[in-house]
Amino acid sequence: ILNVEQSPQSLHVQEGDSTNFTCSFPSSNFYALHWYRWETAKSPEALFVMTLNGDEKKKGRISATLNTKEGYSYLYIKGSQPEDSATYLCACMFSGGYNKLIFGAGTRLAVHP
Amino acid sequence: GAVVSQHPSRVICKSGTSVKIECRSLDFQATTMFWYRQFPKQSLMLMATSNEGSKATYEQGVEKDKFLINHASLTLSTLTVTSAHPEDSSFYICSASDSGGALVTQYFGPGTRLLVL
Repeated sequence: ILNVEQSPQSLHVQEGDSTNFTCSFPSSNFYALHWYRWETAKSPEALFVMTLNGDEKKKGRISATLNTKEGYSYLYIKGSQPEDSATYLCACMFSGGYNKLIFGAGTRLAVHP
Repeated sequence: GAVVSQHPSRVICKSGTSVKIECRSLDFQATTMFWYRQFPKQSLMLMATSNEGSKATYEQGVEKDKFLINHASLTLSTLTVTSAHPEDSSFYICSASDSGGALVTQYFGPGTRLLVL
């Protein structure tokens, strides 16, 4: 069974703090990893898609790295703002599973002013 | 970015009735649509994948006769929960993509919360 794990489950930080969280996945048969940002009562919003070992992606204050050999990805937020409060979802695709995303349970981030 | 709508956002129904949920891609043609279900404090779980004009492919453990999926056009897919029971109460969310491949982004709707009494 392919399992995608995210940690921590939830996180509370103060405005201005930088933070990061982890997505772990089985490294064998790994194909691609997607990060999504999901605000309450809205649609999940795609942040990054990564596939190669060592990939780094950046969008504003948010960045992500990928290590396919050890099976993890980090999502970093620099200088957190209250509007960054959301659940961050990681989803992986494995070879043989055409377009099928396997999601982690998410990390819920709350940024306090 | 691409927009996907989902309707209704919330529905309450009596046990034994059927409920239809619509998923629409508003500004792109969705060759593939996905239906997910999320129980409290759990991950989004894929239920089925549908390609326009084809029968849906269901994940293991998902009853195709209970969860009817229709993807008759490039902008609309429907999920019908037939003879709903309280254990079907869940959050259902769809996504759509305009092409295949591992690097293609899936664009999500806002989801539908179903409560079966």
